[in-house]
Amino acid sequence: GEDVEQSLFLSVREGDSSVINCTYTDSSSTYLYWYKQEPGAGLQLLTYIFSNMDMKQDQRLTVLLNKKDKHLSLRIADTQTGDSAIYFCTGRGKLIFGQGTELSVKP
Amino acid sequence: GAVVSQHPSWVICKSGTSVKIECRSLDFQATTMFWYRQFPKQSLMLMATSNEGSKATYEQGVEKDKFLINHASLTLSTLTVTSAHPEDSSFYICSARDFGGVNTEAFFGQGTRLTVV
Repeated sequence: GEDVEQSLFLSVREGDSSVINCTYTDSSSTYLYWYKQEPGAGLQLLTYIFSNMDMKQDQRLTVLLNKKDKHLSLRIADTQTGDSAIYFCTGRGKLIFGQGTELSVKP
Repeated sequence: GAVVSQHPSWVICKSGTSVKIECRSLDFQATTMFWYRQFPKQSLMLMATSNEGSKATYEQGVEKDKFLINHASLTLSTLTVTSAHPEDSSFYICSARDFGGVNTEAFFGQGTRLTVV
């Protein structure tokens, strides 16, 4: 079945860049999304990329898409403590999620 | 952006009772809503897809008689956990997709923390 894989944990220092990676198996989605979940809360859409694009930049966020390798990444520039959260990528119509990547930002 | 309101935010109930969780799309019509369950430090597990006016589609392993889903209108879906037991304690999240189709953005409720004692 469809699968989404992410590394489980990433720790960076405040001010550094963070790169969160995602691999997926289903290539039928027109859009691919990144969501952020803060503790005890629902998911917040961070950004998305259209499947015919290679890159999208949105302020501190840069999304890279490699369709051939089915690889999606999210780069957060100048990471802040408020960026600490769990990040999920997804793209399917039913929004199947992987385990998410927990980003920890140390001051 | 669009808002999805989930109610209640948290609930404590006694074992054997039923609990209803509401998911409302406040400023858009949601033909499809999704219900997820999340355990601590784990991903969201899709439980079911709720389509307005028809029966919900449940994922494999999810008991449809235990987790009753009703999507009676384009702005409201409900999840009822029947005869709740402590193992049903979890964080439940709903998501609603705008009318445009499978590739449009989905908006999430704030989640409901269910504790069964």
